[in-house]
Amino acid sequence: NAGVTQTPKFQVLKTGQSMTLQCAQDMNHNSMYWYRQDPGMGLRLIYYSASEGTTDKGEVPNGYNVSRLNKREFSLRLESAAPSQTSVYFCASSEVQWNEQFFGPGTRLTVL
Amino acid sequence: AQSVTQLDSQVPVFEEAPVELRCNYSSSVSVYLFWYVQYPNQGLQLLLKYLSGSTLVKGINGFEAEFNKSQTSFHLRKPSVHISDTAEYFCAVTLDSNYQLIWGAGTKLIIKP
Repeated sequence: NAGVTQTPKFQVLKTGQSMTLQCAQDMNHNSMYWYRQDPGMGLRLIYYSASEGTTDKGEVPNGYNVSRLNKREFSLRLESAAPSQTSVYFCASSEVQWNEQFFGPGTRLTVL
Repeated sequence: AQSVTQLDSQVPVFEEAPVELRCNYSSSVSVYLFWYVQYPNQGLQLLLKYLSGSTLVKGINGFEAEFNKSQTSFHLRKPSVHISDTAEYFCAVTLDSNYQLIWGAGTKLIIKP
């Protein structure tokens, strides 16, 4: 039982490059989330998926897209990376929307 | 709009001393409250939560928190901290399952030997 897994753990991009962050959970949770964490700003919600087949914008969706591929997987795509997207990205899941969330280990992304 | 304030960005405390990490929220209605812990270079994990019932909530690793509706606070306490408690602690609030979780900015607990 791995919980929430994220790949990659680290990534360095050049401005304008694209990439997809992968997230998978094996707890049969309905809801999944993508957050970014920046020093002194806590967690900010980028997108979430309340259930399979639905996605909604969070607080900071600009520059990102998501896909809820199936119940297990929820990916985050940066189409044209910018230095302002340098951050640590966390995926989380929960059985009930907005209740206890289980987090992955994070992806540390640097955009040069 | 809801907001969550963690009044201290850092709290230094000596090992085996008690600690209180403060969390205040802005809401006049019933809320669900959470404390999460993030150890260095890891993801977050739930420490404890208040959904209803007793206002004193006990969590993992000897932590507890008290929900105070009149003061709109949910402060986290531990009577005696250990070096392994070094981490960042986040308070989060939601009205119910139809509303987004709102996060505080976090408090870094620094344990001095």
